[in-house]
Amino acid sequence: DSGVTQTPKHLITATGQRVTLRCSPRSGDLSVYWYQQSLDQGLQFLIQYYNGEERAKGNILERFSAQQFPDLHSELNLSSLELGDSALYFCASSESAGNTEAFFGQGTRLTVV
Amino acid sequence: LAKTTQPISMDSYEGQEVNITCSHNNIATNDYITWYQQFPSQGPRFIIQGYKTKVTNEVASLFIPADRKSSTLSLPRVSLSDTAVYYCLVGDLQGGKLIFGQGTELSVKP
Repeated sequence: DSGVTQTPKHLITATGQRVTLRCSPRSGDLSVYWYQQSLDQGLQFLIQYYNGEERAKGNILERFSAQQFPDLHSELNLSSLELGDSALYFCASSESAGNTEAFFGQGTRLTVV
Repeated sequence: LAKTTQPISMDSYEGQEVNITCSHNNIATNDYITWYQQFPSQGPRFIIQGYKTKVTNEVASLFIPADRKSSTLSLPRVSLSDTAVYYCLVGDLQGGKLIFGQGTELSVKP
């Protein structure tokens, strides 16, 4: 158990809909990362937050947004969903903002039908 | 961010030592080298991190030559449960982004 909790574990929704994925980082970790992993794209870095502020941005679509709350949990919002958004979404956390040891959650498997 | 190159796949047998090499020719002075392991449908797991020479922990060893343009992850006496994808990442400790490359798919056979 990495200490990072992601909910829900599975999500099935229709095209055009909007969903919210939630991540609770390990106790004491200030940094949260979001990743998308689909079969043909590998692990794609989406966005990083550090202590409530956006720290780094990757290949995140405009239809996607994220935030980190004062209690340090984070949410990833995916809207106007398309079939191609079906993937595993991982959240990771680390103590600091840098490239150190990061702990990953078990992921949320999103299926868009 | 320095680009990394790893073999796409490797095969091994139980009990053997496995060495996975990662090339990072454009590594910067402040960059560290980090390796992660990922099992199917699970999040990646940190294995080891180093800056130069050799680092060893209970799971693996990491060898980094003086020029730091490559690194080798060494897994001693692998078992079937070591079958996974192994990722090499390079970046500085303030860099933020954790960028994963294609990784090396290691298959351990009985």
